[in-house]
Amino acid sequence: AQSVTQLDSHVSVSEGTPVLLRCNYSSSYSPSLFWYVQHPNKGLQLLLKYTSAATLVKGINGFEAEFKKSETSFHLTKPSAHMSDAAEYFCVVSSPKTDKLIFGTGTRLQVFP
Amino acid sequence: KAGVTQTPRYLIKTRGQQVTLSCSPISGHRSVSWYQQTPGQGLQFLFEYFSETQRNKGNFPGRFSGRQFSNSRSEMNVSTLELGDSALYLCASSLGGGTAKIKETQYFGPGTRLLVL
Repeated sequence: AQSVTQLDSHVSVSEGTPVLLRCNYSSSYSPSLFWYVQHPNKGLQLLLKYTSAATLVKGINGFEAEFKKSETSFHLTKPSAHMSDAAEYFCVVSSPKTDKLIFGTGTRLQVFP
Repeated sequence: KAGVTQTPRYLIKTRGQQVTLSCSPISGHRSVSWYQQTPGQGLQFLFEYFSETQRNKGNFPGRFSGRQFSNSRSEMNVSTLELGDSALYLCASSLGGGTAKIKETQYFGPGTRLLVL
């Protein structure tokens, strides 16, 4: 069965410092992995998507994630946080035989000035 | 292209009532999925419709149902509402032609926030 574990429920950073949001996955197949962001009272927006083409995936707003099969990880990073990055981030794995998305529990990112 | 739209955005109902939520996918998208988001359970898959047929279903009771129309618009219905049904209901659309190896991106609407009193 597929699952994702987001290792931190909250992450706080200062504006201009790097961001690291951690995600480990479990999958018996080669997984499709996603990161989505949810701003308060908004829907989910796709940040980036991994589908085995390249292990380093670049997304929107300066975010990127690296797929590491040996560590079963798909951590999200950004070199320099911006105040507008404050939101909830979800690591997601797609069920192999269906289009069902399986969400992690989310990481709330706070950015301090 | 217009994004996924959901109506209404907010709803207040009382226990025992029923409710219908609507979702209009991105033009050309044939797959619509529904998710429930609550503080306690997080984001959970309800069901997916493709070409007017339910293609996948999550672990929710039969009070939760849905349908899809020929124009790909979808509705979900919750009957005999319970307090625990209070949640943000999110709809997502995709082209629907993905394979096991190449998953299509699902695009989410803003959600309908349902409060059951």
